[in-house]
Amino acid sequence: DSGVTQTPKHLITATGQRVTLRCSPRSGDLSVYWYQQSLDQGLQFLIHYYNGEERAKGNILERFSAQQFPDLHSELNLSSLELGDSALYFCASSALDRDSPLHFGNGTRLTVT
Amino acid sequence: GENVEQHPSTLSVQEGDSAVIKCTYSDSASNYFPWYKQELGKGPQLIIDIRSNVGEKKDQRIAVTLNKTAKHFSLHITETQPEDSAVYFCARGSSASKIIFGSGTRLSIRP
Repeated sequence: DSGVTQTPKHLITATGQRVTLRCSPRSGDLSVYWYQQSLDQGLQFLIHYYNGEERAKGNILERFSAQQFPDLHSELNLSSLELGDSALYFCASSALDRDSPLHFGNGTRLTVT
Repeated sequence: GENVEQHPSTLSVQEGDSAVIKCTYSDSASNYFPWYKQELGKGPQLIIDIRSNVGEKKDQRIAVTLNKTAKHFSLHITETQPEDSAVYFCARGSSASKIIFGSGTRLSIRP
C-alpha cells in the first residue's frame, strides 16, 4: 500500500460533462503529481503541485485544471469531456518538490461515452 | 528535448535469464533517474533509482547503470522469475520540477 488514496476508482460519464478526481497524498508528502495513462500508453505528465503552489505543467489541456488544498489533498477537474479523454488518471505524491521518489495511487479509470 | 526514449517496448526472456532495458535522454540538467514497475490494475511502484553522482547501483537482482556523458541509463534484472513479469518505466527528473517517464517495456518471463 503506497499510502496514496484516489477516488473514485471508476467513473463513467458522457461527452461534454465535467468530473472531479480526488487524491489524498501519503502522510507527510508535500508534492502531488498528476499523470494520464491511455490504453497501452506511457505516463503523460499533467501537472505538479508542491505545498499548495503549482510547480510545473506538462501538456495539460485547457479543459483540465487542478488545485492543491491547504490540507494537501488535490483535485483534478476535467471539463467538456471528449471520448479521447478516456484513460487512467494517476496521482502520485512525493516528499520534496523535485527529484524524489513518487508514490502512486491505484488510479481513477475514466470512461467517456 | 524533454522526452525519454525507452527500448525495447516488449521483451520476453526465459526464466532464470537476464533482462536489460535501456533509456536515453537529452536534457543534460537531469540528475535523478528512477525506475518503476507497474503490475496489472495497479499504480507504478519505484523499484530502484540513481542520481548522477553515481554510475551504478544494485539492489539484490536489480541493478541500474548510468552514463551521464552519453545520456543513457539501463535497468538490469538477473535470474528473472515469473513475478518479474510487468511493465517497466524509466523516468528522469528535471530542473523544471517534472518527472518525465519513458514509454514503458512490457517484460514477459517464459517458464
